[in-house]
Amino acid sequence: GAGVSQTPSNKVTEKGKYVELRCDPISGHTALYWYRQSLGQGPEFLIYFQGTGAADDSGLPNDRFFAVRPEGSVSTLKIQRTERGDSAVYLCASSQTGNTEAFFGQGTRLTVV
Amino acid sequence: AQSVTQLDSHVSVSEGTPVLLRCNYSSSYSPSLFWYVQHPNKGLQLLLKYTSAATLVKGINGFEAEFKKSETSFHLTKPSAHMSDAAEYFCVVRPPGSGTYKYIFGTGTRLKVLA
Repeated sequence: GAGVSQTPSNKVTEKGKYVELRCDPISGHTALYWYRQSLGQGPEFLIYFQGTGAADDSGLPNDRFFAVRPEGSVSTLKIQRTERGDSAVYLCASSQTGNTEAFFGQGTRLTVV
Repeated sequence: AQSVTQLDSHVSVSEGTPVLLRCNYSSSYSPSLFWYVQHPNKGLQLLLKYTSAATLVKGINGFEAEFKKSETSFHLTKPSAHMSDAAEYFCVVRPPGSGTYKYIFGTGTRLKVLA
C-alpha cells in the first residue's frame, strides 16, 4: 500500500506479557517515528530512527520499551513485562527525511488487562 | 521549550456555521506549525502546515489557519461546517532548525457538528 501500515490494529495482552508492534513505513522514507497516544491526550514522541539507527530514543518511558529497525525499513516496537499503564494507541509515522512532512499510520491500540 | 496549547477540549457547532479551533504556541523562534485531523479509527491526516512562508495557510477540505506571531497563535477556521468534519483536531509544533524532527502535539479539540 501507499501509506504507513501498522499491525496488529488491536492487541489485548495480560499484564506481565511481552508484545511486539510492527510498522511498515512508506517505501523510500528514511525517517521513522513512534508516538504513544494515551486516552484523551495528544500523541507523545517515543523514538526516532534515521535509517537503521535510533537517532533519538529520549521519549521511551523506561527500559521495558525497545525499538528496532534492522534493515532501515520495517520497525518493531517491543514492550517487556507489560503494565496496565502501557495501554494506549501506538502510532508510527515516516517521512522522506528527518525534517519533512511525517505521514502517520492508523495505530495499534494496545490494551493490557 | 516548545509547546502548544489548544484552548478548547470540545467545540460544538451547527452544520453550515463557521468553525474556530484555537491554538497558541510557545517557541523561542519561528517554528513549523501544523494541524492534523483524526477521525475515529483512522490515522492522523495533515490538514495544513505553516513553514514561514505565507501567514495565511490554506489546507484541505476548506480549512485554513493564520499564523500570528504577535499573538503566538495559529487558529484553525472553516467558513461552513459539514457533518463529515466531526473529528479530533490536533495543533502541532515542530521546533525550527535543520535536523529537527520531533512533533509536539497539543491535547486535541474534539469537534462536534450538529445537524
